Amino acid sequence: GAVVSQHPSWVICKSGTSVKIECRSLDFQATTMFWYRQFPKQSLMLMATSNEGSKATYEQGVEKDKFLINHASLTLSTLTVTSAHPEDSSFYICSARDSFTQYFGPGTRLTVT
Amino acid sequence: KQEVTQIPAALSVPEGENLVLNCSFTDSAIYNLQWFRQDPGKGLTSLLLIQSSQREQTSGRLNASLDKSSGRSTLYIAASQPGDSATYLCAVHMDSNYQLIWGAGTKLIIKP
Repeated sequence: GAVVSQHPSWVICKSGTSVKIECRSLDFQATTMFWYRQFPKQSLMLMATSNEGSKATYEQGVEKDKFLINHASLTLSTLTVTSAHPEDSSFYICSARDSFTQYFGPGTRLTVT
Repeated sequence: KQEVTQIPAALSVPEGENLVLNCSFTDSAIYNLQWFRQDPGKGLTSLLLIQSSQREQTSGRLNASLDKSSGRSTLYIAASQPGDSATYLCAVHMDSNYQLIWGAGTKLIIKP
């Protein structure tokens, strides 16, 4: 079946630095990718939706200048957390969709110290 | 290696019926378990989150139970409605890391 990978699976960074998370669809072309975040003991929250070659659509309350999303190709989307702060520490999940089905990545744990 | 299985893969029932969706996992050392809903062409909607120390969670017509020892969770939907038609996914967070392990989902169709 289709596989979505995320890299890294776990990252620790210092406050004020930026960190990039990659999401790849390994054996299919993803027309749309979704980015979610989840705080400990809370439910998943959709951050943004991106279509290949166009700007991402952000959900209300999500700062687009802080969470930069680039969907440069049909198999790769990146989420860059800029000037990270401890409150950005969270679990980030990407999801990739082909024409029929949505597939989910294993997630990336971000810890900002 | 944790494996999450959802049975059945698809289910079609008449409106108004109560129904149960099943999720099983092979490693009982989970951190929590979640049920999600996915509508065609849309992203995920989180329905219920059950911590490993809990046995059930309720939200409206939905009730999710968790039996860690047997590696099972069920999602109970009462008085089903056509609007409940969607794919339902369960996913577990493992205790040793924070990666989500996903089930393949159950596609539910509620017939008017």
